[in-house]
Amino acid sequence: GAGVSQSPRYKVTKRGQDVALRCDPISGHVSLYWYRQALGQGPEFLTYFNYEAQQDKSGLPNDRFSAERPEGSISTLTIQRTEQRDSAMYRCASSPGTGNLYEQYFGPGTRLTVT
Amino acid sequence: GDSVTQMEGPVTLSEEAFLTINCTYTATGYPSLFWYVQYPGEGLQLLLKATKADDKGSNKGFEATYRKETTSFHLEKGSVQVSDSAVYFCALGMNYGGSQGNLIFGKGTKLSVKP
Repeated sequence: GAGVSQSPRYKVTKRGQDVALRCDPISGHVSLYWYRQALGQGPEFLTYFNYEAQQDKSGLPNDRFSAERPEGSISTLTIQRTEQRDSAMYRCASSPGTGNLYEQYFGPGTRLTVT
Repeated sequence: GDSVTQMEGPVTLSEEAFLTINCTYTATGYPSLFWYVQYPGEGLQLLLKATKADDKGSNKGFEATYRKETTSFHLEKGSVQVSDSAVYFCALGMNYGGSQGNLIFGKGTKLSVKP
């Protein structure tokens, strides 16, 4: 079956522009997660949803970052007024439900470069 | 705060060699522990897990035992193959509280297996 997909796979943007990163989870998965991964580091948690409800956004670095999952399926991570320090790989993951929060299936990621 | 430390890479082995990748953790409670693997060009995949002390997770010939007394979860394989070449991430997840769903990853260890 189809795995987690993310789009775009690569995004180059100029400092100050807004970007929207999309995640399409595995069909039927209740939970959806966003992580950010710097080069040579492990993924760092940003936020997660159960259905359409944002359960934890403690990892979002500042108020330029926001995420939504309005219908409990596709999610969008938005970064406003991008800065060079936002350059990273942004990874999305999904899991079947609250009993399997940590069996997360990751997408291929979106490589964001802010110039 | 909670954290994971894993051995620095890269690790280069010959085919059929024995593999150990060390992982230790710091946590205020009793986490579940995981190894994720990232093959070239792909997203992270759950390799194995252990949810309580003395549990052994195993998959594809890999094993790791949850050692509470040494706060460790070392990954081992008796005979590696070229196809095991990947980046391996140790991670923990808390089983209660507001941070459920938040996987905390180590920095990753790159393994290269030569024929």
